[in-house]
Amino acid sequence: DADVTQTPRNRITKTGKRIMLECSQTKGHDRMYWYRQDPGLGLQLIYYSFDVKDINKGEISDGYSVSRQAQAKFSLSLESAIPNQTALYFCATGALDREEYYEQYFGPGTRLTVT
Amino acid sequence: GENVEQHPSTLSVQEGDSAVIKCTYSDSASNYFPWYKQELGKRPQLIIDIRSNVGEKKDQRIAVTLNKTAKHFSLHITETQPEDSAVYFCAASDNRLAFGKGNQVVVIP
Repeated sequence: DADVTQTPRNRITKTGKRIMLECSQTKGHDRMYWYRQDPGLGLQLIYYSFDVKDINKGEISDGYSVSRQAQAKFSLSLESAIPNQTALYFCATGALDREEYYEQYFGPGTRLTVT
Repeated sequence: GENVEQHPSTLSVQEGDSAVIKCTYSDSASNYFPWYKQELGKRPQLIIDIRSNVGEKKDQRIAVTLNKTAKHFSLHITETQPEDSAVYFCAASDNRLAFGKGNQVVVIP
């Protein structure tokens, strides 16, 4: 697995607060992703980045923004948190394998609760 | 974009029996099909994948099959054990992964 770390691992915040979730990776992978997972549901893509200057919206980008500060760092911000953003958030990295397919590796997740 | 569907949503099997999860996809350009296992409260972990140039791949008790004509691929788990209980996600990609919604597999001891 890629060394993908997420901070914080757990966070409780209040409605209307701005919050940032951070993701770092040490394997030099060029692609990075942010997903949201609601209880009992699948993975929804929020934003993705193919390199530092390339940021793209995913399926559910409203209410979120991202910053790719460096190849190794990809941050997700909730500008004004609301209760229905309570979820488990995963960062992931993508790297080409020997056959030039992009394998994807997930971080440990951040559990966010908005009260 | 790519649309991936998984069936069934929940699957219960007796320990020692086999489990099969099937996924369908919509984009014929997709050429990479990974499967992820997610245990409760943990990250999804890549367990096996198949590329469009092969029809079947095995790794110990798990195997994947791919039918590009019908646009479906399946995960087969043989001799199931309690530690196989998890949510399994399939995905399809030609450049970006699209995930299915996941299957809850419960292995009954």
